[in-house]
Amino acid sequence: AQKVTQAQTEISVVEKEDVTLDCVYETRDTTYYLFWYKQPPSGELVFLIRRNSFDEQNEISGRYSWNFQKSTSSFNFTITASQVVDSAVYFCALSERGGSYIPTFGRGTSLIVHP
Amino acid sequence: EPEVTQTPSHQVTQMGQEVILRCVPISNHLYFYWYRQILGQKVEFLVSFYNNEISEKSEIFDDQFSVERPDGSNFTLKIRSTKLEDSAMYFCASSESSVIGNEQFFGPGTRLTVL
Repeated sequence: AQKVTQAQTEISVVEKEDVTLDCVYETRDTTYYLFWYKQPPSGELVFLIRRNSFDEQNEISGRYSWNFQKSTSSFNFTITASQVVDSAVYFCALSERGGSYIPTFGRGTSLIVHP
Repeated sequence: EPEVTQTPSHQVTQMGQEVILRCVPISNHLYFYWYRQILGQKVEFLVSFYNNEISEKSEIFDDQFSVERPDGSNFTLKIRSTKLEDSAMYFCASSESSVIGNEQFFGPGTRLTVL
């Protein structure tokens, strides 16, 4: 079973549309962290956010926002008013005590933003 | 801003050859990691390293892989006899600590192509 599931393989939107990338995780630990990373076409991994399991407050950073819901084991990522520069692969990752704190990545969602 | 660097950015090698991928972690970080990403797939953990020893390794990290910190700044991944399936992007990462939720800073990656 996948620890981190990103069911959307690819999403295609037109600039200025809002888009939500889904992430569902599975863990038995009560203490864990969730991450989102961006991988632009140049290939590097860019850290976006870290959220611990005790903090369910939603977070907003500019056009980015994250919705963490323990009840549904989800940590979804929304980009408001998408831009062409948002085109990238986005990875969700889970770090848990049972996994020796090494992050387990989802398969990623490829976001294509058309002008 | 301090960053993790990796060299080379792209390496092409013949099957059966040895390759060494180099990384310079952030200077005050104590924990080092290697990850692999086969083209179009998720990022997979290979190995973590602390205090000149391997602390965790995945099933991918078999006897053909080795890691070393040859001096105070470099952290290397050696693949003894490359196979076609070793073709991937290899990411180095470093962190200040190993506690859960520690932020790992990733390098830009080395793309390894085995012919």
